[in-house]
Amino acid sequence: EAQVTQNPRYLITVTGKKLTVTCSQNMNHEYMSWYRQDPGLGLRQIYYSMNVEATDKGDVPEGYKVSRKEKRNFPLILESPSPNQTSLYFCASSLNGRYNSPLHFGNGTRLTVT
Amino acid sequence: AQKVTQAQTEISVVEKEDVTLDCVYETRDTTYYLFWYKQPPSGELVFLIRRNSFDEQNEISGRYSWNFQKSTSSFNFTITASQVVDSAVYFCALSPPMNRDDKIIFGKGTRLHILP
Repeated sequence: EAQVTQNPRYLITVTGKKLTVTCSQNMNHEYMSWYRQDPGLGLRQIYYSMNVEATDKGDVPEGYKVSRKEKRNFPLILESPSPNQTSLYFCASSLNGRYNSPLHFGNGTRLTVT
Repeated sequence: AQKVTQAQTEISVVEKEDVTLDCVYETRDTTYYLFWYKQPPSGELVFLIRRNSFDEQNEISGRYSWNFQKSTSSFNFTITASQVVDSAVYFCALSPPMNRDDKIIFGKGTRLHILP
């Protein structure tokens, strides 16, 4: 089944403890992206990647890192999480990275930083 | 600048009523793409429809229909004979032409409650 898989679905952590949210897609998509969703703010892009070894900042990249060493994986790293990073996170991918193809989203990761 | 406005933050209708979700966009491009996504209470985001700027034909898929009007920069979504399962947050999105690296712009979403 074609899908974007994010793990974990739920994560509670403490301030400053490094964490990684994994994202993997099995559709051979070139483009991958991370979004965060907050009440009243909609979806905001954190980072995106047009292809392997190509990553770029989105609207809210501060406090996050990503890497794209393989086409299928695009992990999101929070080196030192803070409470303002408590949010619902989505990984997404699309076929050609040129925005005429729809995004396929993972099921989301709800992160709580205390 | 590109922008997507979903002015309706939250809508409640009784089951079987028709409901229209508004989406107004701003762009200087002549070629662009518009999307609608659905986020049910379970949380995942699901693609519903894509429309490119040269295709102004309305689209119907079952109880769902989309009205694209370039003259008013709108891409509205209508659910006919709504059902409880239609309860969700709906996002409209705008993406730039293929020769640009600009980002996809999402509206802030409209939360739709279908009351039994």
